[in-house]
Amino acid sequence: GQNIDQPTEMTATEGAIVQINCTYQTSGFNGLFWYQQHAGEAPTFLSYNVLDGLEEKGRFSSFLSRSKGYSYLLLKELQMKDSASYLCAVTRAGNNRKLIWGLGTSLAVNP
Amino acid sequence: EPEVTQTPSHQVTQMGQEVILRCVPISNHLYFYWYRQILGQKVEFLVSFYNNEISEKSEIFDDQFSVERPDGSNFTLKIRSTKLEDSAMYFCAGQSRGGANQYEQYFGPGTRLTVT
Repeated sequence: GQNIDQPTEMTATEGAIVQINCTYQTSGFNGLFWYQQHAGEAPTFLSYNVLDGLEEKGRFSSFLSRSKGYSYLLLKELQMKDSASYLCAVTRAGNNRKLIWGLGTSLAVNP
Repeated sequence: EPEVTQTPSHQVTQMGQEVILRCVPISNHLYFYWYRQILGQKVEFLVSFYNNEISEKSEIFDDQFSVERPDGSNFTLKIRSTKLEDSAMYFCAGQSRGGANQYEQYFGPGTRLTVT
């Protein structure tokens, strides 16, 4: 089966750093994605991890530990526009690339 | 930069009516998906489509749902007899087969379906 857990809500201050965690229990795990979703809009791709370790892309970094079933998204130099939901999603090995989603973490960035 | 488009942006329909949601994927994409998101809930996979046929469907995708790619560009989701619980945002997504961004699914802006 599949189970993906994220904190429901987080708050942080503009200019700070925030880490959003995601744990998963997925049979046949292949890779993990982070998407950003503003209210009423579509998810937009942030990162993809398939191997253990840290992937850095500008202000955003994502980490994966396959053995622990754990990932985090690190957001640096927070800006007000980073207030959004951050969705963790996984794919399973095989030909189908469907995304299996967590509920998402709603991040509020305060001035 | 090419984008996925969806029409309509908002559809209001009465229970029992048929609706067709339309998507125009990015032209070089080969894998296509429909997802839905009920307000306040997680995004849920409905169906995937490759090589002009369904490759996988979820338990949500029952006989009331169907997908087509009628003309090689448009990709449609039809709900034959809508129910109140079908009210949700419906997202179309596409994915290329290879290249640097092969793992990324590109989402359309969504259609908000309201069933009354």
